[in-house]
Amino acid sequence: GAVVSQHPSRVICKSGTSVKIECRSLDFQATTMFWYRQFPKQSLMLMATSNEGSKATYEQGVEKDKFLINHASLTLSTLTVTSAHPEDSSFYICSGQGEKETQYFGPGTRLLVL
Amino acid sequence: GESVGLHLPTLSVQEGDNSIINCAYSNSASDYFIWYKQESGKGPQFIIDIRSNMDKRQGQRVTVLLNKTVKHLSLQIAATQPGDSAVYFCAERTYNAGNMLTFGGGTRLMVKP
Repeated sequence: GAVVSQHPSRVICKSGTSVKIECRSLDFQATTMFWYRQFPKQSLMLMATSNEGSKATYEQGVEKDKFLINHASLTLSTLTVTSAHPEDSSFYICSGQGEKETQYFGPGTRLLVL
Repeated sequence: GESVGLHLPTLSVQEGDNSIINCAYSNSASDYFIWYKQESGKGPQFIIDIRSNMDKRQGQRVTVLLNKTVKHLSLQIAATQPGDSAVYFCAERTYNAGNMLTFGGGTRLMVKP
């Protein structure tokens, strides 16, 4: 149980384009979803927290207009990286939290911006 | 947890030996702790958790120990196997911080056959 999927798993795009990443909780309802980014050999850095039907709460230093988060249902959250640049290249990971306190993570999406 | 930047501490153990991975956390108000395992190119996988009202919890081949006095958390893996090779992160939750998790810097476990 507690499976989270992400799509796509890997994406390469040109600088200036927008990329949407989907995060789905497959067998539980995630009232809260979290988005993280992870650079090589580093820990996970929280970008934002989203509750279903509410606006996301962004961490300090994360531009909300650049990283658009939508949590439209209890099983789906999307992260859109707008006008992506090479410095946005990273590993983006979502997690879902349901009734239990534990966060369950998706497999991650590797974004490469050329 | 401690952040170690670009250089993850590495623990190298022989297959079959026991492994102990340590983590120092920073917030005395943290009330819930989780250990995650992350294999290369994958998302973190839940291993075991512990609440602050406990000092030990056991799972299958894993044990988590919590010492609140010195704000220290450890993960013990019994009879370490090659499949245990991964990066291990501890995470702490501070109750009044909206259930968000703060991750430690991670420790790379390498199991030698």
